[in-house]
Amino acid sequence: NAGVTQTPKFQVLKTGQSMTLQCAQDMNHEYMSWYRQDPGMGLRLIHYSVGAGITDQGEVPNGYNVSRSTTEDFPLRLLSAAPSQTSVYFCASSPIASELIGYTFGSGTRLTVV
Amino acid sequence: AQSVTQLGSHVSVSEGALVLLRCNYSSSVPPYLFWYVQYPNQGLQLLLKYTTGATLVKGINGFEAEFKKSETSFHLTKPSAHMSDAAEYFCAVDPNTGNQFYFGTGTSLTVIP
Repeated sequence: NAGVTQTPKFQVLKTGQSMTLQCAQDMNHEYMSWYRQDPGMGLRLIHYSVGAGITDQGEVPNGYNVSRSTTEDFPLRLLSAAPSQTSVYFCASSPIASELIGYTFGSGTRLTVV
Repeated sequence: AQSVTQLGSHVSVSEGALVLLRCNYSSSVPPYLFWYVQYPNQGLQLLLKYTTGATLVKGINGFEAEFKKSETSFHLTKPSAHMSDAAEYFCAVDPNTGNQFYFGTGTSLTVIP
């Protein structure tokens, strides 16, 4: 089925480890973004991209890197995991004209940093 | 600056009662407005959206919302709550300035049998 696919669904990391959260979409959406969801804080934008080769920072970018080499993929890298990065991470995509259909979200990655 | 305020982090209603979830926004330009629902351990699903045209918009599962520019509000309603409506609801604003959504902090809806 078409949509946004996130892997892994669950991950436990030790402080200082690095990892990449994967996000792929097959809808040819130009826009992709990463959010983290924490209790009482809603969703906060980490990084976003409006097309291959173009990325920008959101509200909470520190500790995370992204790249966009293809339209389909938008991986999120944690360089040196910290307990403060324990969260649920969502990837979302949309056409550039987001008013058409809004965002399509992946099912999330639940990350615990110990 | 853009912002979204959802009044009430937790709302409880009886089954069959009216559901009203409040959302106010600030935006320097006419925004696009969205409501999303999140069921436990799932991603967010679009309920409804307002872009242009009719200010009363209908979404899935019997929900609707009305855009009131004068009140900068986009409250979500449903005439009769069902047990399956229990979820987290997020209001979101796209200020039409570059594909950045701004989410409210969410409202958790509990439906009491």
